[in-house]
Amino acid sequence: QVQLQESGPGLVKPSGTLSLTCAVSGGSIISNNWWIWVRQPPGKGLEWIGEIFHRGTTNYESSFKSRVTISADKAKNEFSLTLNSVTAADTAIYYCAREGMDYATDYWGQGILVTVSS
Amino acid sequence: DIQVTQSPSSLSSSVGDRVTITCRTSQNIITYLNWFQQKAGKAPKLLIYMASTLQSGVPSRFSGSGSGTDFTLTISSLQPEDFATYYCQQVYSAPRLFGQGTKVEI
Repeated sequence: QVQLQESGPGLVKPSGTLSLTCAVSGGSIISNNWWIWVRQPPGKGLEWIGEIFHRGTTNYESSFKSRVTISADKAKNEFSLTLNSVTAADTAIYYCAREGMDYATDYWGQGILVTVSS
Repeated sequence: DIQVTQSPSSLSSSVGDRVTITCRTSQNIITYLNWFQQKAGKAPKLLIYMASTLQSGVPSRFSGSGSGTDFTLTISSLQPEDFATYYCQQVYSAPRLFGQGTKVEI
């Protein structure tokens, strides 16, 4: 059973950098899957941020492209999200997830609330 | 980017009712579509992938259909535990965007 767990600061200052990590257990990050980040602002819908394949290939949603980086650490079996120049609009629950066979997003972390505030 | 339009944004229904939610994409995505259920304070749960394949452990009252640009999620007989928000997601190409969500309420 694959499990994902997000970690990182719950509070980030405006104009600062949001950095989150997703630890993967019960499965290998170098398996034939994409690993993704999704966020959900309070009371709103799901927003796809981007994804990474273990070989380093990444895809990002265009509205984030200039300030987002997703990376993977094979040794630690985890992947990370970095979002620069944050504003209050980046306040959200951030989820990491796995895209399995047929792009079925089958395993999700529990989510972590990140608040952008001074 | 392939845009995803989901409707309705909310609906009121009763236990036992048949519920239908639709999802339309701006380009042909063949059958590369996921459906999720999300309850308050919880992560989304995959219900259906490839438009019509039921995820393991999901009750058979949930079904998905469609191909190309038009897709449907049907709950054949709504149960109390089905009151939640439902999202579709196109997975044909990146960015793999979600629909806006449909809140199913009593």
